[in-house]
Order: sequence, then structure tokens, then C-alpha cells
Amino acid sequence: EAGVTQSPTHLIKTRGQQATLRCSPISGHTSVYWYQQALGLGLQFLLWYDEGEERNRGNFPPRFSGRQFPNYSSELNVNALELEDSALYLCASSSNQPGDTQYFGPGTRLTVL
Amino acid sequence: ELKVEQNPLFLSMQEGKNYTIYCNYSTTSDRLYWYRQDPGKSLESLFVLLSNGAVKQEGRLMASLDTKARLSTLHITAAVHDLSATYFCAVKGGGADGLTFGKGTHLIIQP
Repeated sequence: EAGVTQSPTHLIKTRGQQATLRCSPISGHTSVYWYQQALGLGLQFLLWYDEGEERNRGNFPPRFSGRQFPNYSSELNVNALELEDSALYLCASSSNQPGDTQYFGPGTRLTVL
Repeated sequence: ELKVEQNPLFLSMQEGKNYTIYCNYSTTSDRLYWYRQDPGKSLESLFVLLSNGAVKQEGRLMASLDTKARLSTLHITAAVHDLSATYFCAVKGGGADGLTFGKGTHLIIQP
């Protein structure tokens, strides 16, 4: 069974540009979570999508946004990139059944120059 | 606000020794997770603990949960070099939130 996939693996942008990151969940999973792992800040929850709707977001500004498509894949958009947005962005999926685990993808390494 | 604290944050130990990583969390939670991360890699799920007194074991790793003390432990028995990694505990709050992670324990096991 295929795991969570993310693309691209690496992304290099300059300050002020926009970045789009993509995630495909495990087949049968309807929930997608996005996390940021920045050096010195640890893993922080960004966004949660379930059944096509944004269910919750972490303590991040509105320039971090995304969506979930009918096939449950998801996109994370980061507008007006800042240097401190450089991080590993991890996507996870789950079934949201009791006892479910979030399974993580390999991540997208975003570098903002 | 849910806070998760792990200790120690860094641990260097020799093969064959036993050690425990501690994870404290600040508010009631119904689920606690342990993940492993190798350098440059993503997170690998190790355990999910759902109830007070839950204990799970896989190989040389054993995790337990005490919801009354808001404490989980990850015990390593007779460590081997392959267990060198960063270990994270994470807690899911009662609300519809994502996981709140501890800062991670960077574990180095030396031959």
C-alpha cells in the first residue's frame, strides 16, 4: 500500500514569492494535516483538512493557506514568502477513526532566499 | 494551551544499556503518540497510546501512558546502534486540533 506522498522534494524561492506544496494521502484516508518543522522551532501544526473542508489551523498567519480536493489530496500555499518560512513541510494523513494514527509523508524542503 | 515537554532533549548512551525518555503534557488528552525521525527523513509512527495504563512494546522499545500524571515514557532496553534517531512524543487535544509535539529527544547510541 502506498504511503503519503509529497511534491516537490525540494523547493527554492525568493522572498516575496509564492510557494505551492502538494500532498496525496494514503488511500482511504480523508484527513490531511500540514506541519512545519523549522530549525529551532520544532514541529508545529499548520492546518487540518477533512472531507474537503478546513477544520482547524495552528498559530500561523493567513498567508499560509491551502485546500483539499475531492480525491482528498491537498495543497499548501504560502504567499509573500519570508526568510523564516524556510523549513521542512510535512504532510500527514489519517482516517480519523478512534485510535487513528497520523502517517507522515517524506516532506518538502522549502528554502527561501 | 496544550504544552508537551520531553526530557532529556539529548541522550548519548552505550550499546547494551537501558534508558527512559519522559514526556509530560499539560492538559487532558485522549491520545499520545511516539514517532521516530532519522536525519533528513520524515516521521515514522512507533506507538499510539489511548488509555490510562496502556503499554505497548515493539522490539527493544516499550511505551506506557499514565493519564492521571499526564506522563508517557519510552523505555529502551539493551540499546543497539540502529536505535539512534530523534524520538518525538505528540499529543492530540480534546478539540479538533492537530498534534502538539515535544521538542524531541536526540538519541545517540555508541558501540
